Amino acid sequence: AQSVTQLDSQVPVFEEAPVELRCNYSSSVSVYLFWYVQYPNQGLQLLLKYLSGSTLVKGINGFEAEFNKSQTSFHLRKPSVHISDTAEYFCAVTEVTDKLIFGTGTRLQVFP
Amino acid sequence: DVKVTQSSRYLVKRTGEKVFLECVQDMDHENMFWYRQDPGLGLRLIYFSYDVKMKEKGDIPEGYSVSREKKERFSLILESASTNQTSMYLCASRSPATYEQYFGPGTRLTVT
Repeated sequence: AQSVTQLDSQVPVFEEAPVELRCNYSSSVSVYLFWYVQYPNQGLQLLLKYLSGSTLVKGINGFEAEFNKSQTSFHLRKPSVHISDTAEYFCAVTEVTDKLIFGTGTRLQVFP
Repeated sequence: DVKVTQSSRYLVKRTGEKVFLECVQDMDHENMFWYRQDPGLGLRLIYFSYDVKMKEKGDIPEGYSVSREKKERFSLILESASTNQTSMYLCASRSPATYEQYFGPGTRLTVT
């Protein structure tokens, strides 16, 4: 069965520092992978997705993620964060069915 | 731009009341979803629908039902609200081309 693990529930970081949010998944077949962001009191917004092709995926707001099939990981990175990146980030996976399986989320807190 | 709207941002109901949460999407998507979001648990799927009048149970359907009479509208029903249903409820519709799910802004339901 599919599952998604986000290893860090909270990540504190100073403004302009780099950040990595970790995501591992379990699946025995090919998957599609997503990162969503949720700003306070809002719904989820897609940051980026991996469907096929290049394993390095670029998304909105300067974020990128790398799909690593051998390590079943899809870590999210940004080289320099801004205060406005403070939000909750969710990794999700689907085995090309209709259901998305979400991780429990990582709260990124950016300090000035 | 895909738009998913939810009927209320905030809702307060009493224990035992019947509660209707409405969701409307404007992209003619066949697949729609209802999730609940709780701190530390991420998003959990309640019900989803492949098409009009079709529904499937998700991971936590107990205490909920759904209705899909028109393609653009997917309703979540709490037959008899209980305090443990206090939560954030998120609706989404899915693109058949990219598998991306588009989310509404959420309804924060409090049952007293």
